[in-house]
Amino acid sequence: GAVVSQHPSRVICKSGTSVKIECRSLDFQATTMFWYRQFPKQSLMLMATSNEGSKATYEQGVEKDKFLINHASLTLSTLTVTSAHPEDSSFYICSAQTSGGLYNEQFFGPGTRLTVL
Amino acid sequence: AQSVTQPDIHITVSEGASLELRCNYSYGATPYLFWYVQSPGQGLQLLLKYFSGDTLVQGIKGFEAEFKRSQSSFNLRKPSVHWSDAAEYFCAVALNTDKLIFGTGTRLQVFP
Repeated sequence: GAVVSQHPSRVICKSGTSVKIECRSLDFQATTMFWYRQFPKQSLMLMATSNEGSKATYEQGVEKDKFLINHASLTLSTLTVTSAHPEDSSFYICSAQTSGGLYNEQFFGPGTRLTVL
Repeated sequence: AQSVTQPDIHITVSEGASLELRCNYSYGATPYLFWYVQSPGQGLQLLLKYFSGDTLVQGIKGFEAEFKRSQSSFNLRKPSVHWSDAAEYFCAVALNTDKLIFGTGTRLQVFP
């Protein structure tokens, strides 16, 4: 099946710094990628939807200036957490979506654990 | 409000026992329905999905799920659980869009 990678898998940073997380579709082209946030023992919450070559669409309550998303190619999307604070510590998961058909299945990356000190 | 409910936060079963994980949704129309499994270090993997047609859906790894419109439910079942099935299971729905809405998950623990 389709493979999605994320890098890094784990990152620890100091408060106030910015962190970039990469999401790549390794063996298919993804016109749409999604970014989710997962708190411990909680569900995945959709943060934003990004389409290649256009601005991301953010869900209500998600600060677009804090969580910068770039989808520069059909195989790469990046999430940058700017001026990270301890409350941004979380598990971030991306998914990449194929196109065509009744429903476009999402394939998920393994996630990135962000810890902000 | 649209929602997905997984009433069981944590389930423990013995290896070889049967399993049923519950999922209920609250929508005006029948959404697309999914079950995903999340194992440590791995991305969410799709176990099965329901769009229409036969309400009993077969998935990978021996799992199946039954859609019951009258109960707004989509419960996941497996007749005999293996130790490797220990993981977090998420029910999800999508309604006319590609946006997935996830339940809170059920953590499955399997004892030998």
